[in-house]
Amino acid sequence: DGGITQSPKYLFRKEGQNVTLSCEQNLNHDAMYWYRQDPGQGLRLIYYSQIVNDFQKGDIAEGYSVSREKKESFPLTVTSAQKNPTAFYLCASSIVWRTGLNTEAFFGQGTRLTVV
Amino acid sequence: EDKVVQSPLSLVVHEGDTVTLNCSYEVTNFRSLLWYKQEKKAPTFLFMLTSSGIEKKSGRLSSILDKKELFSILNITATQTGDSAIYLCAVGPTGGGNKLTFGTGTQLKVEL
Repeated sequence: DGGITQSPKYLFRKEGQNVTLSCEQNLNHDAMYWYRQDPGQGLRLIYYSQIVNDFQKGDIAEGYSVSREKKESFPLTVTSAQKNPTAFYLCASSIVWRTGLNTEAFFGQGTRLTVV
Repeated sequence: EDKVVQSPLSLVVHEGDTVTLNCSYEVTNFRSLLWYKQEKKAPTFLFMLTSSGIEKKSGRLSSILDKKELFSILNITATQTGDSAIYLCAVGPTGGGNKLTFGTGTQLKVEL
């Protein structure tokens, strides 16, 4: 079945360690996104990519890094520079219309990261 | 800075009630507004609205957009316990690569 797979579902890390969250999609979507969800704050955009080998910062990119070497994959690294990394992380993908029309984003099941 | 505000933040209703969820926005270069339902983890798409005054309907759910007053409502009639979820509103820009700005969400709980 087509979809977006995030792994792992739960992740525990010690403070000061970098950690990489995986996101893979087989929907043949050009665009991929990373969001962070905290209680009472909705979804906030970390990074997004519209095409392979290109990505842009979202609203809260500090302390995070990404890569887009393959169309199917958009891993997110939470670095030690991120001051409050404990959160629920959601990856999404969508079609990108050349006309600029918005399209629905499809979401993965998320990764809950806890830093102790 | 683009801003999306949802209200109420949370509410509890009984099965069979009708609920109205609100979403107001202040964004530059608005193109569309989207509604999502988040039951446990992955938000699932409900509606995308681009034109004022045209209701979109799916079963007991319906939504409408007012581009003059910059808001949208999501109505759920004859609520069921399965409607319990967080409902997210997002706005999308013209251009910008489909970069959606989300609101804080409304947590709905439907009790028997």
